Amino acid sequence: KNQVEQSPQSLIILEGKNCTLQCNYTVSPFSNLRWYKQDTGRGPVSLTIMTFSENTKSNGRYTATLDADTKQSSLHITASQLSDSASYICVVSDRGSTLGRLYFGRGTQLTVWP
Amino acid sequence: EADIYQTPRYLVIGTGKKITLECSQTMGHDKMYWYQQDPGMELHLIHYSYGVNSTEKGDLSSESTVSRIRTEHFPLTLESARPSHTSQYLCASSVSGSQRGDSYNEQFFGPGTRLTVL
Repeated sequence: KNQVEQSPQSLIILEGKNCTLQCNYTVSPFSNLRWYKQDTGRGPVSLTIMTFSENTKSNGRYTATLDADTKQSSLHITASQLSDSASYICVVSDRGSTLGRLYFGRGTQLTVWP
Repeated sequence: EADIYQTPRYLVIGTGKKITLECSQTMGHDKMYWYQQDPGMELHLIHYSYGVNSTEKGDLSSESTVSRIRTEHFPLTLESARPSHTSQYLCASSVSGSQRGDSYNEQFFGPGTRLTVL
């Protein structure tokens, strides 16, 4: 069964601090991995997307890494801000279907305190 | 922000009512999707469409139905709402592309509809 597991489930940090979120997956055949940010009551918004040949990608203060061999990814947030409080969802796509099937993790709920 | 819209944003209704959740996108995307999401849980695909007059059921069994008469419009209907239908419903659309030989399927999500059935 294809799965995406994220850790930690929730995280509280102080404003200005850095943090790293983890994602492990078993989806095969792998196509790409993306990180989404979902604010409460809103739809997910894409932060980064990485294909098999990429092992790191940055988007401002967000840096994602991918190790396709160990099937692990991380999302590093630098100098956190209050607006970073949200759920961060790891999503993996397979290449085995025309649809480009997406497999979602349950997300890490990040809370940034002032 | 993506040009994909959902209405209503919040809906509270009584059991047995028929409801339609609207989803529209102005990006000309062929593929559209409906997901269901409960608090703290992952998104589950309930319906998808490859294009006009194409609809398929997703992984999660749902009593809802969808239609795709126009490219930009993908409404979801519940004929008789029940408390078990209480959830957040997210619509998405996508365009297929390729990058460095790998294919990807960038999905853009709407803001969601929070449905509560009493």
